[in-house]
Order: sequence, then C-alpha cells, then structure tokens
Amino acid sequence: EPEVTQTPSHQVTQMGQEVILRCVPISNHLYFYWYRQILGQKVEFLVSFYNNEISEKSEIFDDQFSVERPDGSNFTLKIRSTKLEDSAMYFCASSEDEGRATQYFGPGTRLLVL
Amino acid sequence: AQSVTQPDIHITVSEGASLELRCNYSYGATPYLFWYVQSPGQGLQLLLKYFSGDTLVQGIKGFEAEFKRSQSSFNLRKPSVHWSDAAEYFCAVGTLGQGGSEKLVFGKGTKLTVNP
Repeated sequence: EPEVTQTPSHQVTQMGQEVILRCVPISNHLYFYWYRQILGQKVEFLVSFYNNEISEKSEIFDDQFSVERPDGSNFTLKIRSTKLEDSAMYFCASSEDEGRATQYFGPGTRLLVL
Repeated sequence: AQSVTQPDIHITVSEGASLELRCNYSYGATPYLFWYVQSPGQGLQLLLKYFSGDTLVQGIKGFEAEFKRSQSSFNLRKPSVHWSDAAEYFCAVGTLGQGGSEKLVFGKGTKLTVNP
C-alpha cells in the first residue's frame, strides 16, 4: 500500500540554524500539507500546497517557514532560523483531491531545537 | 471557529472490555469527520472517516464510529479491546480552506491504556 514517507525521522539543531524537513507524498496525490505537534499538545495545521502554490496557511506559518516542491516527488518544509519553540513533531500529509478528501500522514520528523 | 473536543485525556480499560472514546465537534456546515490513531513513536494512521450517508461507519482494526448530528458527536467504539490498541486516538474535523483545500482541525487526543 502506498504511503507517505518523511526524512529524517529525528533532527537536532541549534537555535538560529536552518532546517529542511523532507517528505515524499503518495505518488498520485496532488495536495500536500504540513502539520506539527508540540509535545503534549494537539496536532496543528501549518500549510496546504497545490499546483506549486500555497493554498492556505495558518498564523503559525510565518516568514520563517517556507514550502517547496523541488521536483516531482519531494515536498519540503524549511525553517530559516529555528527557535526553541519550533521543537515539535512535524507531519507531512497528502491527498489525491481537494476538498472532501482523506489526508494520509507520514510518520513524522521529530525536531529538537537546542 | 471550528473545533474538536475530546473530553477524556486518558482512559484505561481491561483487555477484552468494550471501549468508547468521545468526540464533539463544532462546525457550521456538514462535517467531514475522522479518527486517527498514533502509536508511540509512530505517525497518524487513519482508522475511519465519515463523509455522508450511513451514520455508523466501520473502520480498520474492528473500530466503528457513529455520527450524531443532533449531539455534534462522533464517538469511536470497539466491542472488545486488544492490548495492541494501546495508543493515542485523535478525532478531527475537515474544514474547507480559502483555496479549496481541506485542513484538519484535531482534538487534543485521548490516550488509551489497556490492562492485561
């Protein structure tokens, strides 16, 4: 069964450093998402992406964040200058259609900012 | 604003016992509802979803959920819990965003412990 994959599974970085989290969505999916889950808190929507453009972003997704689909398979989340409060589990998801479609999640990348 | 409430932070049941996890949502239109499960160190796995039609939906691993519009609820049930069901369970409502894409609004989750 096709699945969403994410790399790395864990990343430790120093405050102020740039990090890039990578995702490979399910191959025939067209809509891509990033969510994050701070330890002990709920999963929160960050951004949705379609046709090489951001469809919607949350207030969390400020200028420090960017997303890109650099090629036909990868979908990346970049944090330009990490802060301590960016420490969280970041989930990528994809869906094959817009609107009322099921999102399938990857296993997540646990980011720790020191 | 859309929201999901899972009133039980932690539930403990004995193996073989029945289970019901509660979920209440707030959404102005017809809701699209999901239950996801997260095992320790793992990602979010879809258990089941409700889009329309029959209000009792069946999912994987023997789970089912019932949509009750009058109560704004989408409770998850399982008649007999297995030790491997120990995990965290998240209820979510799908909300249509400005660009037509869907975003999920999650509840805080219910952690399930299963005693032998």
